[in-house]
Amino acid sequence: KQEVTQIPAALSVPEGENLVLNCSFTDSAIYNLQWFRQDPGKGLTSLLLIQSSQREQTSGRLNASLDKSSGRSTLYIAASQPGDSATYLCASFGGAGKSTFGDGTTLTVKP
Amino acid sequence: NAGVTQTPKFRILKIGQSMTLQCAQDMNHNYMYWYRQDPGMGLKLIYYSVGAGITDKGEVPNGYNVSRSTTEDFPLRLELAAPSQTSVYFCASSGILAGGGETQYFGPGTRLLVL
Repeated sequence: KQEVTQIPAALSVPEGENLVLNCSFTDSAIYNLQWFRQDPGKGLTSLLLIQSSQREQTSGRLNASLDKSSGRSTLYIAASQPGDSATYLCASFGGAGKSTFGDGTTLTVKP
Repeated sequence: NAGVTQTPKFRILKIGQSMTLQCAQDMNHNYMYWYRQDPGMGLKLIYYSVGAGITDKGEVPNGYNVSRSTTEDFPLRLELAAPSQTSVYFCASSGILAGGGETQYFGPGTRLLVL
């Protein structure tokens, strides 16, 4: 059974700092990994998706990497802003019905 | 293009009552999912469907039922509600990627309180 772990559970940084969120998974037989953002009381918004054949994806200040052999993915946020405060979830997808989510990292960016 | 829609947004149930959570998508996706999210936790898969007429259990199916009569709709039925079913329920649909992966699109969620 796939297990997805996100460390740390919570992170607080001053505005402008660069930061890394970590996601690890136990079964490397995945098709892709997806990072989501969730604001309090809201649904999930997709940030970046990395397919198994890819090493990284970038969107604006966000960069996500995937290392299947070590079972790790990272989400790098450059020049953090208070508006980045949210919970970030990673999820692995191994086929129909084989989606596994981590518990998330709650990020607070202080002005 | 509304994406994934869910109704209701919020509901209070008494123990033992039943209800149906509605989910619809207009992206012509074959794959649809129901998850629950407890406070401070990730999402747990309840049921999923790979097409009309095909459903299967996920990680936490007990106390729930689903049906998929059309591509667009995937309702979740709660029978005999229990306090343990207090949670936020998310419906999602997936676009299938070349190579077998999928990208999930989520609805806004239904907050359910069972008292």
